Amino acid sequence: GENVEQHPSTLSVQEGDSAVIKCTYSDSASNYFPWYKQELGKRPQLIIDIRSNVGEKKDQRIAVTLNKTAKHFSLHITETQPEDSAVYFCAATFSAYSSASKIIFGSGTRLSIRP
Amino acid sequence: GAVVSQHPSWVICKSGTSVKIECRSLDFQATTMFWYRQFPKQSLMLMATSNEGSKATYEQGVEKDKFLINHASLTLSTLTVTSAHPEDSSFYICSATPPGQGMGSPLHFGNGTRLTVT
Repeated sequence: GENVEQHPSTLSVQEGDSAVIKCTYSDSASNYFPWYKQELGKRPQLIIDIRSNVGEKKDQRIAVTLNKTAKHFSLHITETQPEDSAVYFCAATFSAYSSASKIIFGSGTRLSIRP
Repeated sequence: GAVVSQHPSWVICKSGTSVKIECRSLDFQATTMFWYRQFPKQSLMLMATSNEGSKATYEQGVEKDKFLINHASLTLSTLTVTSAHPEDSSFYICSATPPGQGMGSPLHFGNGTRLTVT
């Protein structure tokens, strides 16, 4: 079935330390893996994404790695700051129709940065 | 670019009434839009895929007769929650992807609609 598992559900790190969130997906045909950040009461915001033809992607303090063989991907946030506190969702595409794949979300990780 | 607008942002209705939520792509045409529901402190659950000019495709466990989806134009999809009950209270959010970006593209979300059924 279509499934994305995400761990941990909550994560608390000291400001300045790194945070890692891990996800696994069920469909080996999935080819796109976005990460979203959601603040309370707001819509999810895309923070980084990776396609299946790439193993790693970095954007300043944020990086994502993908292991297609193991079907897992991870989000790495370095030098964490208070504004990084939010809920983070991983997601993966599952083929549905010719025009657009549907995106299924993981269960989310509530990240708290301790000052 | 790629702006998705959703209206209303919040609505309170009485049990048994129906509520319509609109999702518009403002600067692109969207043949496909997605409707998600998010309960407090939970993930976004895909409810259905809205297809312009044809029937929506519903995810398993989502009642199509309760959640009516209409995608009559390339820029507008509507979700109508019929005979709403308190358990339908949730955050409903639509999304779309600009065409031509191929398989696997970022979703652009509307601001969401917080529905409260009393």
